[in-house]
Amino acid sequence: NAGVTQTPKFQVLKTGQSMTLQCAQDMNHNSMYWYRQDPGMGLRLIYYSASEGTTDKGEVPNGYNVSRLNKREFSLRLESAAPSQTSVYFCASRSGGGTEAFFGQGTRLTVV
Amino acid sequence: QKEVEQNSGPLSVPEGAIASLNCTYSDRGSQSFFWYRQYSGKSPELIMSIYSNGDKEDGRFTAQLNKASQYVSLLIRDSQPSDSATYLCAVRDNAGNMLTFGGGTRLMVKP
Repeated sequence: NAGVTQTPKFQVLKTGQSMTLQCAQDMNHNSMYWYRQDPGMGLRLIYYSASEGTTDKGEVPNGYNVSRLNKREFSLRLESAAPSQTSVYFCASRSGGGTEAFFGQGTRLTVV
Repeated sequence: QKEVEQNSGPLSVPEGAIASLNCTYSDRGSQSFFWYRQYSGKSPELIMSIYSNGDKEDGRFTAQLNKASQYVSLLIRDSQPSDSATYLCAVRDNAGNMLTFGGGTRLMVKP
């Protein structure tokens, strides 16, 4: 049971470079989320997808784009990375209603 | 902007004591409430969920919800050093789509 899988686990980018963080879930969940977590802080929502075909901005969407490729996959793209985007990124999914979210193992991104 | 507030801590308790963690939220229409535990360098894992006013117990953990006061808490009885972690409160909005987290409270249980 893989659950929520994120790739890559670690990445170092130079300022201005672009990259896509991948997330896939095998639990047939409707909703998927991208969060970032900075040292000593909680999780801040970047974007979410309530269902296949829909995406919405969260608390901190600037500098990011997302794609809900299908029900399983939700990717996060940094078009022009900035040092302020250095963070740990978590993908999560949930089936809907009042259910809890399950998290991937995180991607540690450093922008130099 | 919907807010979820937690005291960042650290909250230090001796082994065997009761740890009390608190969370307040701003969206009165919130429906579902969750407590996650996060060890350093790991992803959050669910401990408790609570949906209606009152207490919900699961082993050494008790979640308490008071929607009128917009307040949710987590009690950990017989605290163990292995409970040392950051505890995150999460609140689902009325529409059911957004899941907003508090900043987390770091708990330290000392042997």
